[in-house]
Amino acid sequence: GAGVSQSPSNKVTEKGKDVELRCDPISGHTALYWYRQSLGQGLEFLIYFQGNSAPDKSGLPSDRFSAERTGGSVSTLTIQRTQQEDSAVYLCASSFFTGFQETQYFGPGTRLLVL
Amino acid sequence: GDSVTQMEGPVTLSEEACLTINCTYTATGYPSLFWYVQYPGEGLQLLLKATKADDKGSNKGFEATYRKETTSFHLEKGSVQVSDSAVYFCALSRPINTDKLIFGTGTRLQVFP
Repeated sequence: GAGVSQSPSNKVTEKGKDVELRCDPISGHTALYWYRQSLGQGLEFLIYFQGNSAPDKSGLPSDRFSAERTGGSVSTLTIQRTQQEDSAVYLCASSFFTGFQETQYFGPGTRLLVL
Repeated sequence: GDSVTQMEGPVTLSEEACLTINCTYTATGYPSLFWYVQYPGEGLQLLLKATKADDKGSNKGFEATYRKETTSFHLEKGSVQVSDSAVYFCALSRPINTDKLIFGTGTRLQVFP
């Protein structure tokens, strides 16, 4: 079956512009996560959605970052007024939610370069 | 807070050599432990996991045992192949609030023929 998909695969933008990154989780997965992979910080958690519960935004690095999940499926991560330090690979993952540690399946990522 | 520490790379080995990548963690309670692998040009994939003390996760010839007494989850393989060249990430998650993964910094493995 189809895995987690993300778009675009690559994004180059100018400092100060806004960007939107999209994630399509695996069908039936109610949990969705965003992570960031950067040279300086490694792999870090950004935000988590589970069903209709309030998202866990504890990993968002600043108020320029926001995310939403519409209809319990597709998610969009928005970065406003991008900075060069936002350059990274943004990874999305999804999983079933059973209250136990279900396997998270990762998408291929969006590589963001802020010039 | 919770954290994962893994050995720095790169680890360079000849084919058929033995591999150990060390991973230790800091967490209260009983986290689940994971090894993820990222092959060149590909996304993160779960390699193996263990959810309680003394459990052994295994896959593709790799093994790791959850050692609570030493808070470790070292990755081992008896005979590596060139195709094992990748970056390996140790991670933990706790069943509190979210199952977010906390990753180590990753260890690059290079296997030469």
